[in-house]
Amino acid sequence: QVQLVESGGGVVQPGGSLRLSCAASGFAFGGYGMLWVRQAPGKGLEWVAFIRYDGSDKYYADSVRGRFTISRDNFKSMVYLHMNSLRVEDRAVYYCAKDGDKYSVDVWGKGTTVTVSS
Amino acid sequence: QSALTQPPSASGSPGQSVTISCTGTSSDVGGYNYVSWYQQHPGKAPELMIYEVNKRPSGVPDRFSGSKSGNTASLTVSGLQAEDEADYYCSSYGGRNNWVFGGGTKLTVL
Repeated sequence: QVQLVESGGGVVQPGGSLRLSCAASGFAFGGYGMLWVRQAPGKGLEWVAFIRYDGSDKYYADSVRGRFTISRDNFKSMVYLHMNSLRVEDRAVYYCAKDGDKYSVDVWGKGTTVTVSS
Repeated sequence: QSALTQPPSASGSPGQSVTISCTGTSSDVGGYNYVSWYQQHPGKAPELMIYEVNKRPSGVPDRFSGSKSGNTASLTVSGLQAEDEADYYCSSYGGRNNWVFGGGTKLTVL
């Protein structure tokens, strides 16, 4: 069964840091790109970051570039999102997602909630 | 990285067809055949319904179809059923290794 399980969300003050983790199972993790997508309360989906199957390339949305870092460990089938200098507007449910090729997402996790508040 | 434009709402009666539009630019929707559509029920994760403009993943009913003309992509749901009531999001490759999503459309089955 293909599955993505996120963890690491929580409440953090503005300017703080958080690391999200995503455990993948049920597919050949090392053969696929992975993404993080977020959804602010009552809002639409927003692509955050993408990492290639081997970690060789990483791409970021303008809104998080320089503050967030995506990484992966293919031996552990894990993908991470390191978030620094968090802002109130980063508050959202963060979904870990699998690249279905040709810029589609064919597997989504259930999400983990990040709240940035003083 | 501007969001793609979708109507905020759409509706139809059971058995009817409804079409949701997704308008971008020549740099995203119009420039690539990499448009996807996702269905999201309240409190749930999104689910892929259409990829590469008009392809359906296995398990997605053939009532769901996609198309594209110029800078606008469309999702058509035929034979509306109660369980189709959900939010629908389009997405496209935005060039320069960017992904872009639409703002979402709330589909109501009357």
